[in-house]
Amino acid sequence: DTEVTQTPKHLVMGMTNKKSLKCEQHMGHRAMYWYKQKAKKPPELMFVYSYEKLSINESVPSRFSPECPNSSLLNLHLHALQPEDSALYLCASSRDRGWEKLFFGSGTQLSVL
Amino acid sequence: DQQVKQNSPSLSVQEGRISILNCDYTNSMFDYFLWYKKYPAEGPTFLISISSIKDKNEDGRFTVFLNKSAKHLSLHIVPSQPGDSAVYFCAASNAGNNRKLIWGLGTSLGVNP
Repeated sequence: DTEVTQTPKHLVMGMTNKKSLKCEQHMGHRAMYWYKQKAKKPPELMFVYSYEKLSINESVPSRFSPECPNSSLLNLHLHALQPEDSALYLCASSRDRGWEKLFFGSGTQLSVL
Repeated sequence: DQQVKQNSPSLSVQEGRISILNCDYTNSMFDYFLWYKKYPAEGPTFLISISSIKDKNEDGRFTVFLNKSAKHLSLHIVPSQPGDSAVYFCAASNAGNNRKLIWGLGTSLGVNP
């Protein structure tokens, strides 16, 4: 199994809503990542978890809250988002923190109204 | 400051011909380079990589060349196929404890039948 599974595929939310994005991998990878991607731009790193501990937070606003319940799961909790937060949110995993070959999920296309 | 540059936003080639995608970098500490391919509304897919100790790596129709003195790498696709039409991102990783990928802006490749 070389897949990273993300749910939901699409999400529309209002600025007062609370929602969560979910990510799962069963490759035994010990590093997991959240990226944000806007159209015609490269992926932008948000968070990195290594061995279930947060190792990088790229100065992401607190309205985005990551969580790593176990080595296979990664969540991103969303609260009070702004319309400019609309983007494709990508989860990725790698064998470990220093292994650059990332496996990406298909992403969640988020629209904030 | 863009440390990884893909100066051609788009490229169009004929099916069966060679596609050459270029990437330049400025940071001499980069020691590992990757190419990712991305279709619309999907996550990037790893294509091929090269370590700074090599100058060429080949995988089927895909070959990556690295010229360290010029801080330049290129991806060759031979022969090009319509299914290769996608956005190609060059990414580089810096040596050291806080490794993370630095991405170029991408080149959109169109292969015409």
